[in-house]
Amino acid sequence: LAKTTQPISMDSYEGQEVNITCSHNNIATNDYITWYQQFPSQGPRFIIQGYKTKVTNEVASLFIPADRKSSTLSLPRVSLSDTAVYYCLVGPPRGSQGNLIFGKGTKLSVKP
Amino acid sequence: DTGVSQNPRHKITKRGQNVTFRCDPISEHNRLYWYRQTLGQGPEFLTYFQNEAQLEKSRLLSDRFSAERPKGSFSTLEIQRTEQGDSAMYLCASSQGQGPYGYTFGSGTRLTVV
Repeated sequence: LAKTTQPISMDSYEGQEVNITCSHNNIATNDYITWYQQFPSQGPRFIIQGYKTKVTNEVASLFIPADRKSSTLSLPRVSLSDTAVYYCLVGPPRGSQGNLIFGKGTKLSVKP
Repeated sequence: DTGVSQNPRHKITKRGQNVTFRCDPISEHNRLYWYRQTLGQGPEFLTYFQNEAQLEKSRLLSDRFSAERPKGSFSTLEIQRTEQGDSAMYLCASSQGQGPYGYTFGSGTRLTVV
């Protein structure tokens, strides 16, 4: 499974747009990019998944360039409740080989 | 169905004791996964089931760890002869076949070995 690299931490203020970039230089042709959010003392929660170009849902947008060697999770107008750890994962959709591999994630702190 | 349920939420045990955790997945999900998470780290995959079949268990941390899903519904994770290094959050997740919506995780069981 492709390894991912993302910043350890990021700070932002309420109302700002936050972009978290993930590098995955060895992504395979059939790999998808998936992002999860985790609050303290809770399990990770699925945010968004994509293969190429742009995906948008009610929570976030995911931008994937043509070479797919990186991706950017965009959170519009963050609030204090968006303070969490965000994980970028690369692999078959829904871990069809049996598991998801998590890195250390990016700890986002949103300040008032 | 309110999601993936894990019990207990917290467990404190003495070193050397056996512990068992239970996971009840979303009822229509046929896949069930166990992860371990230590402080400051991402979840670490342990094992997974498709229905009652355990399809991957090589990532279980030692032979003290075992998991079952006898009827393809709930699952249990047992740790025998616990050690202080086993202190962690144990997470369960479930999923159903193909599709873009990812795994659904429970809130975990926090184990403290004293």
